[in-house]
Amino acid sequence: DVVMTQTPLSLSVTPGQPASISCKSSQSLLHSDGRTFMYWYLQKPGQPPQLLIYEVSNRFSGVPDRFSGSGSGTDFTLKISRVEAEDVGVYYCMQSIQNPHTFGGGTKVEIK
Amino acid sequence: QVQLQESGPGLVKPSETLSLTCSVSGASFISHGYYWSWIRQHPGKGLEWIGYIYYSGSTFYNPSLKSRVTLSVDTSKNQFSLKLSSVTAADTAVYYCVRYYDNDGYRYFDYWGQGALVTVSS
Repeated sequence: DVVMTQTPLSLSVTPGQPASISCKSSQSLLHSDGRTFMYWYLQKPGQPPQLLIYEVSNRFSGVPDRFSGSGSGTDFTLKISRVEAEDVGVYYCMQSIQNPHTFGGGTKVEIK
Repeated sequence: QVQLQESGPGLVKPSETLSLTCSVSGASFISHGYYWSWIRQHPGKGLEWIGYIYYSGSTFYNPSLKSRVTLSVDTSKNQFSLKLSSVTAADTAVYYCVRYYDNDGYRYFDYWGQGALVTVSS
């Protein structure tokens, strides 16, 4: 299975400040067709996960532009340019280049 | 608006079979490129993909659970179901039904149900 490793485990951020989460995969997520099957999800307290970013850097419908994804191969980053109170929760990276789809362990973001 | 809703017993005895059903509304269940999935989350833990099923009945399972999992669909009711046999306390989790889109080179889990907590205990 592809192992997804996230850092840090938790993050405390002042509103309006940036935040960054890293995710490393145990093998390349670059498909032979040129696409990279790397995703970011946010699970707000008491809710199911919601899709933020697909294929490294594409924001899903309705996702604010303060969220951005970058990276390639095995190293990826999610950035929040200015954290807002509604951004609290656990962020997960996920890969779907290979079955089984696997998720990172999660990064908990809280507001200072 | 696409909605998914899990239903089924919240308590299952060890060694018995866990059964959950997901009802889908707001989307065509038999649309090309949509797979209907189950993902679980152990209490306070991360996410584990269980498997998905296409409306035609084709299935893909997580190898770690494959021997105990059966997915099925009922297109007449816009529902799909999960059965997990020989459960133990380790199967206690919140079970989510999720739509998986895989078409035109794009693939992602986009719509999630609210989740159903299933506890395995005697």
